[in-house]
Amino acid sequence: DQQVKQNSPSLSVQEGRISILNCDYTNSMFDYFLWYKKYPAEGPTFLISISSIKDKNEDGRFTVFLNKSAKHLSLHIVPSQPGDSAVYFCAASENDYKLSFGAGTTVTVRA
Amino acid sequence: EAGVTQFPSHSVIEKGQTVTLRCDPISGHDNLYWYRRVMGKEIKFLLHFVKESKQDESGMPNNRFLAERTGGTYSTLKVQPAELEDSGVYFCASSHNRNTDTQYFGPGTRLTVL
Repeated sequence: DQQVKQNSPSLSVQEGRISILNCDYTNSMFDYFLWYKKYPAEGPTFLISISSIKDKNEDGRFTVFLNKSAKHLSLHIVPSQPGDSAVYFCAASENDYKLSFGAGTTVTVRA
Repeated sequence: EAGVTQFPSHSVIEKGQTVTLRCDPISGHDNLYWYRRVMGKEIKFLLHFVKESKQDESGMPNNRFLAERTGGTYSTLKVQPAELEDSGVYFCASSHNRNTDTQYFGPGTRLTVL
């Protein structure tokens, strides 16, 4: 029973443009949401998070938006850079430690 | 400060054999987690230790999997006997506290069962 879904397995974007990654969830008890970034042969690295009491959180080039009524969150990367090419995982938690992950979206930034 | 390390990085075994994966968390981190990613799918939670105690092992697939954390430092995850569906990448993570945004992941062990 997959509670976090990333329906786009891949995304290709031109350098300097915006990357938008989407994530849907089914568990209404989730109260904390995170995005992780993963390079090949490395573990996931925390990128940005948002609490369910907020609808937006921004950190530099990265912004996460949360729409609780739609059970949807998105990650915006502006501007996209070649180093942003990686797999991005959406994750959620309802009890502050157990993370439920999506299957990931592979982002390729074209020069 | 050294990050989370995992050994081995790759393991190829035959069905029915035993494999033991090791995780060394960041020094001083009481919380240790195991996750697994099967062939391009989502990363799934397996279990959570606080020091040497198992707090939550609800994600462990079956009794062929045994995790230990003797002394509250490094942890091992043993699969015995291994089955084909156990293939995947096993990640270990650690954190100082239970806030989810401070889980630091290791590079993973890629397990292939033939």
